[in-house]
Amino acid sequence: NAGVTQTPKFQVLKTGQSMTLQCAQDMNHNSMYWYRQDPGMGLRLIYYSASEGTTDKGEVPNGYNVSRLNKREFSLRLESAAPSQTSVYFCASSESLPGAGNTIYFGEGSWLTVV
Amino acid sequence: AQSVTQPDIHITVSEGASLELRCNYSYGATPYLFWYVQSPGQGLQLLLKYFSGDTLVQGIKGFEAEFKRSQSSFNLRKPSVHWSDAAEYFCAVGGARYNTDKLIFGTGTRLQVFP
Repeated sequence: NAGVTQTPKFQVLKTGQSMTLQCAQDMNHNSMYWYRQDPGMGLRLIYYSASEGTTDKGEVPNGYNVSRLNKREFSLRLESAAPSQTSVYFCASSESLPGAGNTIYFGEGSWLTVV
Repeated sequence: AQSVTQPDIHITVSEGASLELRCNYSYGATPYLFWYVQSPGQGLQLLLKYFSGDTLVQGIKGFEAEFKRSQSSFNLRKPSVHWSDAAEYFCAVGGARYNTDKLIFGTGTRLQVFP
């Protein structure tokens, strides 16, 4: 009963380092998302993948790249981490896009600190 | 533009008291509306959602919400709060008319429950 699994849960990076957040879902969902959560800002969409083979920018894509490796997996990469990217990152998935009324299911989050 | 406003950043109630969390949205067509709950250190869990039909929606954990088109509101209610309800609550709006890939979240309301 895993749902959406993301790793690592905690990470500390130095400015300029790179890292990849991994995400996998076992619900056979078509759409996957990466959000970031900052105090007082709610959740903001970084990138999403409507279906396998496609990716699109969300509200705050700068400084990030994504890869939809297959239907199950959707990774988020920080090429050169900056302190402004200190945040909690959530991977999520849904059967299809939320505009069709589909529910988005979230992972438990990855706490990233850039020093 | 689509937007969601949760006017209350922080609410404190006594255990057993009733609860209402406010959510106002801006959307040019019939929206899909969601309430999510986030416990400390956890991801977001769906409480309930509104797509169409009956404007009073029942959710999990004894929560309900009422869609009022005339007021552009989707307030969350619970008749008797339990200590375990202490969490952060997010309202979100999506829809089929505009860009269907985005679910717009409010900034959240943190609920504190006193014994």
